[in-house]
Amino acid sequence: GQQVMQIPQYQHVQEGEDFTTYCNSSTTLSNIQWYKQRPGGHPVFLIQLVKSGEVKKQKRLTFQFGEAKKNSSLHITATQTTDVGTYFCAGGSGTYKYIFGTGTRLKVLA
Amino acid sequence: DAGVIQSPRHEVTEMGQEVTLRCKPISGHDYLFWYRQTMMRGLELLIYFNNNVPIDDSGMPEDRFSAKMPNASFSTLKIQPSEPRDSAVYFCASSPGRASPLHFGNGTRLTVT
Repeated sequence: GQQVMQIPQYQHVQEGEDFTTYCNSSTTLSNIQWYKQRPGGHPVFLIQLVKSGEVKKQKRLTFQFGEAKKNSSLHITATQTTDVGTYFCAGGSGTYKYIFGTGTRLKVLA
Repeated sequence: DAGVIQSPRHEVTEMGQEVTLRCKPISGHDYLFWYRQTMMRGLELLIYFNNNVPIDDSGMPEDRFSAKMPNASFSTLKIQPSEPRDSAVYFCASSPGRASPLHFGNGTRLTVT
């Protein structure tokens, strides 16, 4: 079945450094969503990408969808302590059944 | 908007007991999803509904798990009998339509001893 992998699994950065997480699907996706989960919390929607090669920005966050619609990335510029959490991608199939990636846990050291 | 409401927040039970988790989706949302989260397996999709009809239950681990959605404002996930390996956080999420964001509830932390 469909699998969605993310790397790295963990990332520790100093506050102010950049951070990138990569998401790879075993199958072509219809769309991809990104979520953030704070420790002890629930996943919260960040953004959705639909078009091949699409790039979207939210303040310090930049999201990309690959040309083949099988991979995506999230880049955070100048991390802050409020960025701490686990970032998940969720790949949508033709039936819009969302399979979540393995997640990248970000720790920001002040 | 109260968001997706799940109950109970925590459940501790003994192996062999029946467990029922409850979810009230956001009003007007046509899609409802049940996910399970563990450290080892991450966020797993168990089942999802569209307009109260189960669309895909291929993620349900085994026959001990069952889910129902008797109406647009209520869904249950039942485990009978429960086993220690069922211990996890169970999330319910709803969505207003295809290719729309998922809104998650706060989850139910289940511990089976």
